[in-house]
Parts: sequence; C-alpha cells; structure tokens
Amino acid sequence: AQKVTQAQTEISVVEKEDVTLDCVYETRDTTYYLFWYKQPPSGELVFLIRRNSFDEQNEISGRYSWNFQKSTSSFNFTITASQVVDSAVYFCALTLTGTASKLTFGTGTRLQVML
Amino acid sequence: DAGITQSPRHKVTETGTPVTLRCHQTENHRYMYWYRQDPGHGLRLIHYSYGVKDTDKGEVSDGYSVSRSKTEDFLLTLESATSSQTSVYFCAISRGPPSYEQFFGPGTRLTVL
Repeated sequence: AQKVTQAQTEISVVEKEDVTLDCVYETRDTTYYLFWYKQPPSGELVFLIRRNSFDEQNEISGRYSWNFQKSTSSFNFTITASQVVDSAVYFCALTLTGTASKLTFGTGTRLQVML
Repeated sequence: DAGITQSPRHKVTETGTPVTLRCHQTENHRYMYWYRQDPGHGLRLIHYSYGVKDTDKGEVSDGYSVSRSKTEDFLLTLESATSSQTSVYFCAISRGPPSYEQFFGPGTRLTVL
C-alpha cells in the first residue's frame, strides 16, 4: 500500500518569507502521479499541480515551485515571498497509474502567514 | 471551476437515522469519488465509481454505501448514522487516465448527535 507523509503539521511565517512544505511518499510502483492541493479557510480544495513519476523536472509557477526527487521519494513545495492569501492547509497526494485515480492523501500542513 | 455541487451543504442528524448525501457534476467525467476529511487524517477515500452502476470500496467504506444511476449523480448513504461518521464529506470527479487529477466539490459538513 502507498503512503504519503507530511511531517510538518503547522508552519507559521511572516509575510515575504520563503517557506517549504515537505512531502515524502512511499510506493512500490514505478509509475505514479503526485499532486498538491490547497484548502483555504473557506474549505474548498484547489488543485495546484500534478507531476508524473517519469518527470523529475522542477516546476515553477509564479511564486510557487515544486521539487520532485525520486531518489528521496520527496515532492516538496516552496512558496517564495509568502503572502497572507497563502494561508491555508496544503495537502500532498499520490495515485498509481491504472487505479481509477484513487488518491492517497497526506495529513496536510497548515500554513499561517502573518503580517 | 469544475461543475460539482453537493447537497446538503450542512446537516445535523441523530444516531441511527439514515442519511444520503448527493454529488452532482456537469462535466460528464467518468470517475466520481467520496472522501471524508477528519483532523489528523487528511482525506480518506470512502467509495468511488468508474461508471454508471460501477462502484468499488475505498479505504474507509464500512457503514457507507453508494449508488450511481446516472453519469452526473453519485449518492453516498449512511444507512444508520453513528457519531464516528461526523465529518466533512467531499465529492470529487476525474476524467481518469491520462490526466488523473481530481476536482472537488464544496463539501458537506455532517454532524451526528
């Protein structure tokens, strides 16, 4: 069975600081997809990124960047120059290819960005 | 935004009563899912569907049943609600392979007294 670990339960930063959210996963399969979702205080879940196991290129989208390293089974998420609007719970998730896209979620990291 | 609605959005019920939650999509996606979200557990899969009348169990399916008679609707039923089923329930949809990402509904907060 697969597992996703987000060891950081809560992180607090001051606005404009950079912050990295850690995600470590476990699977015996060689083909899989990794995801990050954001859950703001309003409660909805917002899809941020998908990465497949064959693509280890880092990705940057504005202030967001993702670092995927198969050697350490990690898929970390960095927010540069954090803003108050980044305050949310962030979830990392994993699905195996050919499994009806069932997601295994980590327990989430609550990020609080303060003025 | 993906067209996913959930009803009701909030419900309070008593132990032992049946409860049905509805998920409706306008995206014509093949796959639909029900998750529950609890503190310290993230989201856990209850049941999912890979087509009309095709459903299967997830990680935490005990005490829940589902039905999908139309592509757009996926129902989650608690036959006899218990306090341990107090949770926030999310429906999600996906096209499935090769995109795999899921899009979530707004959630239903269920309280079982």
